[in-house]
Amino acid sequence: QITVKESGPTLVKPTQTLTLTCTLSGFSIRTSGVGVGWIRQPPGKALEWLAIIYWDDDKRYSPSLKSRLTITKDTSKNQVVLTLTNMDPMDTATYYCAHRLKSPRGDSFDYWGQGTLVTVSS
Amino acid sequence: SYELTQPLSVSVALGQTARITCGGNNIGSKNVHWYQQKPGQAPVLVIYRDSNRPSGIPERFSGSNSGNTATLTISRAQAGDEADYYCQVWDNSAVVFGGGTKLTVL
Repeated sequence: QITVKESGPTLVKPTQTLTLTCTLSGFSIRTSGVGVGWIRQPPGKALEWLAIIYWDDDKRYSPSLKSRLTITKDTSKNQVVLTLTNMDPMDTATYYCAHRLKSPRGDSFDYWGQGTLVTVSS
Repeated sequence: SYELTQPLSVSVALGQTARITCGGNNIGSKNVHWYQQKPGQAPVLVIYRDSNRPSGIPERFSGSNSGNTATLTISRAQAGDEADYYCQVWDNSAVVFGGGTKLTVL
């Protein structure tokens, strides 16, 4: 069965770079058509999409965060990595990774990780 | 940038029908997806491609999409349906989420 699991630091300092890893199980990032995205949710607020990467290394980023985000994949480990630079307290959120379900007019996310809470504080 | 508008809250009596709307410019031309999120849990996909239910989602959940409004309908509402609901689309190569609607079952 498909599962995804986030891992990374729970606390980062302002200005630091956040690196989160999404470990995939039950599917391979190398398989044609596969995509994995990152979504975050500040405490008590709405979901916010961050980025997505596809099997062919195509990538898309949130326009508002594009300058700070990088998404990559490690095919040998079947993982997807997200980095967010210049962290700010406003970036405090639960970060989710999710498996993409392809649709002709815009994909959805059908399998989500449990999320990892990242707090930005000095 | 594209915006999706959802009501902040919707209330429904137990056993009745709840309708949650998601407004966007010509949203009928896009695939709309809906997620349910209960407190402390990850979102769950309940409707994809406007009106399709993933395996394991009750038939009480249905969706429609036309013009400038997409709608998630929950029939015979149960206490367990109380949650936040988010709509989602793609626009210009980016994912967009609505602001979320809190469903209260009375």
